[in-house]
Amino acid sequence: KNQVEQSPQSLIILEGKNCTLQCNYTVSPFSNLRWYKQDTGRGPVSLTIMTFSENTKSNGRYTATLDADTKQSSLHITASQLSDSASYICVVRAGGYNKLIFGAGTRLAVHP
Amino acid sequence: DTGVSQDPRHKITKRGQNVTFRCDPISEHNRLYWYRQTLGQGPEFLTYFQNEAQLEKSRLLSDRFSAERPKGSFSTLEIQRTEQGDSAMYLCASSLLEDRRNEQFFGPGTRLTVL
Repeated sequence: KNQVEQSPQSLIILEGKNCTLQCNYTVSPFSNLRWYKQDTGRGPVSLTIMTFSENTKSNGRYTATLDADTKQSSLHITASQLSDSASYICVVRAGGYNKLIFGAGTRLAVHP
Repeated sequence: DTGVSQDPRHKITKRGQNVTFRCDPISEHNRLYWYRQTLGQGPEFLTYFQNEAQLEKSRLLSDRFSAERPKGSFSTLEIQRTEQGDSAMYLCASSLLEDRRNEQFFGPGTRLTVL
């Protein structure tokens, strides 16, 4: 069964600190993996999309990594800001399909 | 703002009533998707259109749900005889057929509360 699991479920950090969110997937065949940021009450916004051949991709203070062998991805946030408080959702697209498989998300709270 | 708009943003209705939501995708996007998201969960796929053709429907889409995209532009999602279990955020997304990565751009969602 195609699944995407994220950890931790929630995380609290202080402003300025770094953090890393984890994503494990069992999706086959794999096409690409995305990280979305979703503010409360809003739709998800794409941060990165990574294909099989990409190990690392950055978008400002966000850096995503992908290990296609172990089927793991991580999202590292550097020098966190209060505006980083949101849910971060890992999403995998299975090859040949147009629908996406979503994780439940990690809810991040950045405190001053 | 991703360029995908949804209306209304919030809807409160009584059980048994019908509701209809609208999604306006990015204008040149030929694919349009509907998702449902409950609290603390990621979105779940409901259905998708390529132009005006509805190509796939999830088993989550019971016969009380119907979606249309009559002219291949905006889409509507109707829920008939709403139940309390229908309370959720309904998200719309759009993408370009020609985009091999199938990057999907999401709207802000419509939050439905069934009393």
